Amino acid sequence: KNEVEQSPQNLTAQEGEFITINCSYSVGISALHWLQQHPGGGIVSLFMLSSGKKKHGRLIATINIQEKHSSLHITASHPRDSAVYICAVKFSGNQFYFGTGTSLTVIP
Amino acid sequence: GAVVSQHPSRVICKSGTSVKIECRSLDFQATTMFWYRQFPKKSLMLMATSNEGSKATYEQGVEKDKFLINHASLTLSTLTVTSAHPEDSSFYICSALPEDGYGYTFGSGTRLTVV
Repeated sequence: KNEVEQSPQNLTAQEGEFITINCSYSVGISALHWLQQHPGGGIVSLFMLSSGKKKHGRLIATINIQEKHSSLHITASHPRDSAVYICAVKFSGNQFYFGTGTSLTVIP
Repeated sequence: GAVVSQHPSRVICKSGTSVKIECRSLDFQATTMFWYRQFPKKSLMLMATSNEGSKATYEQGVEKDKFLINHASLTLSTLTVTSAHPEDSSFYICSALPEDGYGYTFGSGTRLTVV
């Protein structure tokens, strides 16, 4: 069964803190996206991963294929990072399955 | 990188009218596009898979006569919400799969409010 689990569901952090959001999935995948959704609803794809690690600015995404697990890290968090972060996984077909999202609030 | 443009970003319409949402791949050709819907505080749910030149494949529970999907070219798919009702108010988002099967991209979404 294709399942995607994300944790935590909600996260509040002080500005400057290091943040980690986790995504686990049930079976082998062909690709994994980390998405950012701002309060207005618009979605931005932050990373697409199939293996290893990617870094963009203060964002780092890692994936462990053997453990079926991915993490999104935010270093030196800032209030503008406040958003919902969604893990989207592609299993054997073309359809993406989505985690329920992590709502992040960064307090100044 | 691959960019998908979704339009409009927000729309308010009266109950009973129809609304068309466009999903356009700007710098690549997409044989397959997907339409998702997001209910408040819920994850995105796949509504249908749109294939260029053929009929869309709808997920169970999605009314194909209400949510009309047209994928007439390799760069454009449209979702038309027909005879909209307040319960159709939601966030709709598309994603596109390039012809080479790499670089899946998401549109920025459309917030539909039916009054």
